[in-house]
This record gives sequence, C-alpha cells and structure tokens, in this order.
Amino acid sequence: AQSVAQPEDQVNVAEGNPLTVKCTYSVSGNPYLFWYVQYPNRGLQFLLKYITGDNLVKGSYGFEAEFNKSQTSFHLKKPSALVSDSALYFCAVRDRKGYGQNFVFGPGTRLSVLP
Amino acid sequence: EAQVTQNPRYLITVTGKKLTVTCSQNMNHEYMSWYRQDPGLGLRQIYYSMNVEVTDKGDVPEGYKVSRKEKRNFPLILESPSPNQTSLYFCASSPGTPLTEAFFGQGTRLTVV
Repeated sequence: AQSVAQPEDQVNVAEGNPLTVKCTYSVSGNPYLFWYVQYPNRGLQFLLKYITGDNLVKGSYGFEAEFNKSQTSFHLKKPSALVSDSALYFCAVRDRKGYGQNFVFGPGTRLSVLP
Repeated sequence: EAQVTQNPRYLITVTGKKLTVTCSQNMNHEYMSWYRQDPGLGLRQIYYSMNVEVTDKGDVPEGYKVSRKEKRNFPLILESPSPNQTSLYFCASSPGTPLTEAFFGQGTRLTVV
C-alpha cells in the first residue's frame, strides 16, 4: 500500500532563513508526488508536484521540492522563509485506487516562521 | 472563478440527527472526493466518485453516505451522526488524470454533541 511520512510534527524557523519540510514515501511503481498548504480556516492549496523529469520542482510562492528516488524523499524547501509561510503543510502521493485519482496524505507538518 | 464550494462551513449538531454537507464544483471535473482531517492523522478519504452514479468507498466510509446524481454535485450524508464524526471535512475535485492536482473546498467543521 502507498504511504507517506512526514517525520516532523512541527518545524520552527526564523524569518529570512531557509526552510525544509521533510517527506518520505512508499509506493509501488513510479510516484506522483504533491505538496499542499493549508492556511488557517482555509482549504488546501496546491503548491507543486513531481510527475517525471527534473528532480528539482519549482512551485508557488517561491517554494521548491527535491525528489530523491534512492532515498524515497520529496522534501519541500524555500531559500528564505516569510512569516506568512506559517501554515500546515501536507505531502501526498497518488494512490493506485480510484483510477489513480485518490491521494494518500501524510499527517502534516506545522511550519512556524518566527519574526 | 474555478472553485469547489462546500456548505455549511461550520455545523454543530446532536447525535443521531441526520445532516447533509453539500459540495459543488464549477470546473466540469469527473472525479470528486470527500476527506476528513483529524489532528496527527492528516486527511483520510471517506468516499470518491469517478463520474455520475459511480461512487466507491475510501479508507473510512463507515457512518457516511454519498450520491452523485449530477456531475457538479457530491453531497456527503451522515444518517445518524455520532461524536466520533466530529472533524474537519474537505471536498475535492480533479479532472480525471493522475497527473493533475486536485482542487479543495474551504472545509466544513462539524461538531457532534
């Protein structure tokens, strides 16, 4: 079965410093990986995805993610954090069930950017 | 504007009183799904639908029903809500290929007392 792990419940970083939110996955076959962000009282917003090609994927709001097949990881990164980046971040992988449309989500990582 | 609309946003109800949470999308998406979000568990899928009149169970379907009579609408029905269904619920839709992202509604915070 597909699964996603986010080993950190909470990540704290100072404004202006680089940030990393970690994600590892377990899938059979090629992974289709996604990052979503949830701001307070809002739905999930798509940040970026890896389907194939370059291992470094660029997304919205200055975020990027690095796909590493050997380590089965898909860490989210940003060179310089903003206070407004504080939110709940979810890593997800497409599941084979549901005609490949279903997602399996990680438990989420809460990012706090301190001024 | 492309969007997924859920109603209501907040709901407090009593055990056993039937309720329906509506979900509507304006993007002509084939696929729609319901998730519940609980702290430390991420989002878990309740039901999904690949097209009109085609629905299937997700990982946590017990206590829920859905219907897909029209392409744009995918209501979630709790026939007899219980306190363990207190959660944050999200509806999502996507065009129907594994390569595309899903669009999520704003969420419905349900409290069953």
